[in-house]
This record gives sequence, C-alpha cells and structure tokens, in this order.
Amino acid sequence: GDSVTQMEGPVTLSEEAFLTINCTYTATGYPSLFWYVQYPGEGLQLLLKATKADDKGSNKGFEATYRKETTSFHLEKGSVQVSDSAVYFCALSVAGANSKLTFGKGITLSVRP
Amino acid sequence: DTAVSQTPKYLVTQMGNDKSIKCEQNLGHDTMYWYKQDSKKFLKIMFSYNNKELIINETVPNRFSPKSPDKAHLNLHINSLELGDSAVYFCASSQTSQEQFFGPGTRLTVL
Repeated sequence: GDSVTQMEGPVTLSEEAFLTINCTYTATGYPSLFWYVQYPGEGLQLLLKATKADDKGSNKGFEATYRKETTSFHLEKGSVQVSDSAVYFCALSVAGANSKLTFGKGITLSVRP
Repeated sequence: DTAVSQTPKYLVTQMGNDKSIKCEQNLGHDTMYWYKQDSKKFLKIMFSYNNKELIINETVPNRFSPKSPDKAHLNLHINSLELGDSAVYFCASSQTSQEQFFGPGTRLTVL
C-alpha cells in the first residue's frame, strides 16, 4: 500500500537557521505530493504541493522538489522564523475517485528567538 | 466566510454515550472526508464520500457511521463511545483528486 515516511522529530532551531525536513514515499500509482502545516490549536493548511516529477512547490519561503528517482519530497526553508513553529506533515494522494491523503507521522518544529 | 466548518469544536462526554459531529463546506466540492488525529498527531483517513456516495471506508469500527444528507454536508455519528475514541476529528473537502481543504477539527474527549 501507499506510505509516507518522515524524519523523526521534534526539531528545534534558532531563528534564521536553515531547515530541512526529510520525506520519502512509496506509492502504487503516480502520486501527487503535499506538505501540510498545523499551527498550534488549528486545523491543517496546505503549505505547498507538486503533482509530477521534478516539479517544485513553494510558498512562504518553503520549497520542496518532487524527486521520482529517490521517491522523496524534502521540505526546505533558508531562514526560519518563530512564526514557523508548527507541526509539518508530508502527504501523498494518488489520483482517482478514492484519492485519500496518506500522511506521514508529522514533525514538530520549534523555532527559538 | 469559513470554507469547511465543523461543530462542535470541543466535545466532552462519558463512555457509552452516542454523539455526532457535523461538517459543512461551502466550496462546492464533490468529495468530503473524515480523518482521525490521535494523541501522537498521526492522521488517518476514516471515510470519504463523493456526491453523497460512500467511496472510502477504512478499517473503522461500525460504531462510527457517516451520513451525507447532501454533497455540502458530511456528519459523523459515533455510538457507544469508548476511551480510545478520544482524538481530534478533522473533516475535509476537495474537488475530486484535487487539493483537500480541512476544517478546524473537533476535539473529542471520552471520560
């Protein structure tokens, strides 16, 4: 079946540090890939997505590139802010009427001032 | 205007009770979902409806029964609540195969 593996957390960084959160996947079809973010006490928001190999999704300074050869979709940001503190979920979806999202376990990011 | 809304936001109840959570979306989407987030933040699909028709039913106890009166609403009824049902339940909607939009969640606590 489909699955998403995220690096173990939590992650604590100082403000303006570089961020990488690793994500790899296995899928039976050709998936679309997503990063969702959950701020404290809130629901999930889509951060960025990529629908085909070599696509780069980007939003709010975050980027991730769909790498089919390594089945990866790592999230990066050059300079994190305190306001980026949240839980980050990598997810995949295979197109079709049953296009559920399969999530990784999520990783908590805390950014210190 | 809220795109995907859920009520209630918090629900505290005793074991053995029956409760419902409601979800509404005003995005005109044709597919709606229920996800469960456990205490370790892990998210898992429970159900999905497409145009009021059940299309995904993961391994969920039959105490959980979704109902979709129309394509803008997907409610979740839970019978005989157990301690292990305590979690945050998220509703989501999408146009088929497109990005999913999530509601704010309902935190269910079973005592």
